[in-house]
Amino acid sequence: GAGVSQSPSNKVTEKGKDVELRCDPISGHTALYWYRQSLGQGLEFLIYFQGNSAPDKSGLPSDRFSAERTGGSVSTLTIQRTQQEDSAVYLCASSYGLGGNEQFFGPGTRLTVL
Amino acid sequence: DQQVKQNSPSLSVQEGRISILNCDYTNSMFDYFLWYKKYPAEGPTFLISISSIKDKNEDGRFTVFLNKSAKHLSLHIVPSQPGDSAVYFCAAENNAGNNRKLIWGLGTSLAVNP
Repeated sequence: GAGVSQSPSNKVTEKGKDVELRCDPISGHTALYWYRQSLGQGLEFLIYFQGNSAPDKSGLPSDRFSAERTGGSVSTLTIQRTQQEDSAVYLCASSYGLGGNEQFFGPGTRLTVL
Repeated sequence: DQQVKQNSPSLSVQEGRISILNCDYTNSMFDYFLWYKKYPAEGPTFLISISSIKDKNEDGRFTVFLNKSAKHLSLHIVPSQPGDSAVYFCAAENNAGNNRKLIWGLGTSLAVNP
């Protein structure tokens, strides 16, 4: 399939543990986005990568959250010392990064922090 | 400060009737608008978009109307079908900048009743 893929699809962890979420964007897409959606809430922007530019980290909720994008392709979102309020669905999207282009979303990773 | 607002969290419509989902925005620099549909346990999927140089864009049963002076757009679905039951997100972009980050509304949950 040529869509955006994310792994794992579900992650259950204990409070205080670190987690890594992975996103494989569509080949050729230069822009990659991370969002999260908590229960009953809308999409919350976390971070945005565009080519080789410095990422827009303005949506990261705390310094426990970080993300990398290696080689302009795969991205990893890391949450350190997880808290129960981090429980949410984490969505990744990619696009061609040009104006007027829609974002294509992966299926998401459901994170549950016990 | 919510720059894109979907004031109706939910909407219920009878099958075959028209569904109208509304979205308001505050930033006059937005010049491209998108609607996404999201089913449970899936990522959002792109539905339809409109550039600010237009006031209407139609694709099959879906039509988006843009009123720039009122900073308002709406998505019309006619006739509505039970499969249209989903959460609909409105999103906006400022194409003049280099940042391709979309600004999202909180979504409207549409239920189409058979």
